[in-house]
Amino acid sequence: SQKIEQNSEALNIQEGKTATLTCNYTNYSPAYLQWYRQDPGRGPVFLLLIRENEKEKRKERLKVTFDTTLKQSLFHITASQPADSATYLCAPSMNRDDKIIFGKGTRLHILP
Amino acid sequence: ETGVTQTPRHLVMGMTNKKSLKCEQHLGHNAMYWYKQSAKKPLELMFVYNFKEQTENNSVPSRFSPECPNSSHLFLHLHTLQPEDSALYLCASSQDGGEKLFFGSGTQLSVL
Repeated sequence: SQKIEQNSEALNIQEGKTATLTCNYTNYSPAYLQWYRQDPGRGPVFLLLIRENEKEKRKERLKVTFDTTLKQSLFHITASQPADSATYLCAPSMNRDDKIIFGKGTRLHILP
Repeated sequence: ETGVTQTPRHLVMGMTNKKSLKCEQHLGHNAMYWYKQSAKKPLELMFVYNFKEQTENNSVPSRFSPECPNSSHLFLHLHTLQPEDSALYLCASSQDGGEKLFFGSGTQLSVL
């Protein structure tokens, strides 16, 4: 069955440094992969989508990579700020598939 | 404001009660989703509706009954729930078959 793995432990990063989060998947070949941010007690918020034919995508301080050989996506936040503290979820998805499955998420703490 | 509104924000119910969760989206999207989020667990997909037709039912117990009267509204009818059903219930919508989901703030449900 499809499996999605994200760092289950919380990640503590010093303010100003780059935070890197990992999403690994097994037993399927997603056509695209999405990253979301979730704050406590709130719904996830869409951040970035990267397709299988794209190696890298950027949006302001965010960068996502997608390696279909390694079956892995990396999510980077550069010049991290305490306001970036949240849980980050990845969702590798098949093309035009309504069944969007999320990883458990990684809790990120940016320390001032 | 994501354009997806869920009511109520909090709900406490007994195991013999019947209640309904409501979701409304103002984004003109075609697809709507119900997810369940329990503590320490990933988001669990429950139901998907696309153009008002149910396209996914992820083996959800019959005590949860979805209803989608039109593309803008989605309900989750609850009946004789169990304490383990206590969770955050999230509604989402999307335009393009699973890309870029917009989530509501959720209903925090407690079953006593």
